[in-house]
Amino acid sequence: GAVVSQHPSWVICKSGTSVKIECRSLDFQATTMFWYRQFPKQSLMLMATSNEGSKATYEQGVEKDKFLINHASLTLSTLTVTSAHPEDSSFYICSASPGGEAGANVLTFGAGSRLTVL
Amino acid sequence: GQNIDQPTEMTATEGAIVQINCTYQTSGFNGLFWYQQHAGEAPTFLSYNVLDGLEEKGRFSSFLSRSKGYSYLLLKELQMKDSASYLCAVKDSNYQLIWGAGTKLIIKP
Repeated sequence: GAVVSQHPSWVICKSGTSVKIECRSLDFQATTMFWYRQFPKQSLMLMATSNEGSKATYEQGVEKDKFLINHASLTLSTLTVTSAHPEDSSFYICSASPGGEAGANVLTFGAGSRLTVL
Repeated sequence: GQNIDQPTEMTATEGAIVQINCTYQTSGFNGLFWYQQHAGEAPTFLSYNVLDGLEEKGRFSSFLSRSKGYSYLLLKELQMKDSASYLCAVKDSNYQLIWGAGTKLIIKP
């Protein structure tokens, strides 16, 4: 089945530093990947849609200069939280769909990255 | 606006059956999904419904009524490992996924 790998799974950083999170589709190509944020006891909140070879599409209220997304290849998308602050502490999850007839309606999630900003 | 409603929390007994409801109001409909999410982990896919009716998959079944904007997830023979949050999500006319807040299911021995 489709597998999405996300790294790191857990990161602690100091306020003001930047953190990069990687999302890889291991056994399929993903022209589109999605980045979500989830606060405790809340549902997933779509931050942006990452498109291979073009700029990401950000949801309303999400700062594109703070959450930099790069989708350099068909199997890799990265999210960089720039100048992180404690309020950015959250669970960040990426997802992708294999596409095609069989995979179009199956969204596979990475394991998530828990970011704690001190 | 677009809205997905599901109960915040439910409690059930090991071995029993539980039904988690989801109602939705979205701009268009291109399928409804149920995901399971254990605490601190990413969601995992459970089911997908696009036509009315019941889809059965082992101990889990999902039902859809498009005319009523309603779905439910039915879990049978509950096990302790079924304690998790269950997320309902609808794909709208733009194929965007709209997520419910999730239902936390607590299983008691």
